Amino acid sequence: GQNIDQPTEMTATEGAIVQINCTYQTSGFNGLFWYQQHAGEAPTFLSYNVLDGLEEKGRFSSFLSRSKGYSYLLLKELQMKDSASYLCAYMDSNYQLIWGAGTKLIIKP
Amino acid sequence: SQTIHQWPATLVQPVGSPLSLECTVEGTSNPNLYWYRQAAGRGLQLLFYSVGIGQISSEVPQNLSASRPQDRQFILSSKKLLLSDSGFYLCASRDRALDTGELFFGEGSRLTVL
Repeated sequence: GQNIDQPTEMTATEGAIVQINCTYQTSGFNGLFWYQQHAGEAPTFLSYNVLDGLEEKGRFSSFLSRSKGYSYLLLKELQMKDSASYLCAYMDSNYQLIWGAGTKLIIKP
Repeated sequence: SQTIHQWPATLVQPVGSPLSLECTVEGTSNPNLYWYRQAAGRGLQLLFYSVGIGQISSEVPQNLSASRPQDRQFILSSKKLLLSDSGFYLCASRDRALDTGELFFGEGSRLTVL
């Protein structure tokens, strides 16, 4: 089946760190993507993990544990412009992306 | 990298009217193309994907259809819109040579059916 979950909404403070979790269940797996989507705009690519471990890219890092069906996106030194929805998606055995509903991140000054 | 052009950006249509959304891709050849719909506060729902000219796979049976008349052109259509067709429609492209490559998205088309 296709099952992917992430929190609906999170709130964090400017300058702080926030971790957005994503869990999935699938029989076929070809990697996990994180995208950022500002309100009314198209999603933009943030990261791709296919092997276990942490991938760091500037203020953003993404972690994957395939055995646990778990990923997280870590955002450091939060800025107001980071207020957006963060979409988690895994790639199934047919190379199709299965999307979570997105986590709306609210940054407060 | 790829650039996806999608239009119109905003559309308000009455129930029962036709629909045509168009998408063109630059910066790649022979891409895989996708149409997604996103309802407010929801994830992306795959509607159609195409691996080549004239090749369309439908993921969700409904009153929408898609066509790919040229390698880098993808069109989403409907003969008669329903209220439930309202949403944010996104065209996306992926380099066919990269099975696990990232998706590039167009700017999106917001459709309101009244």
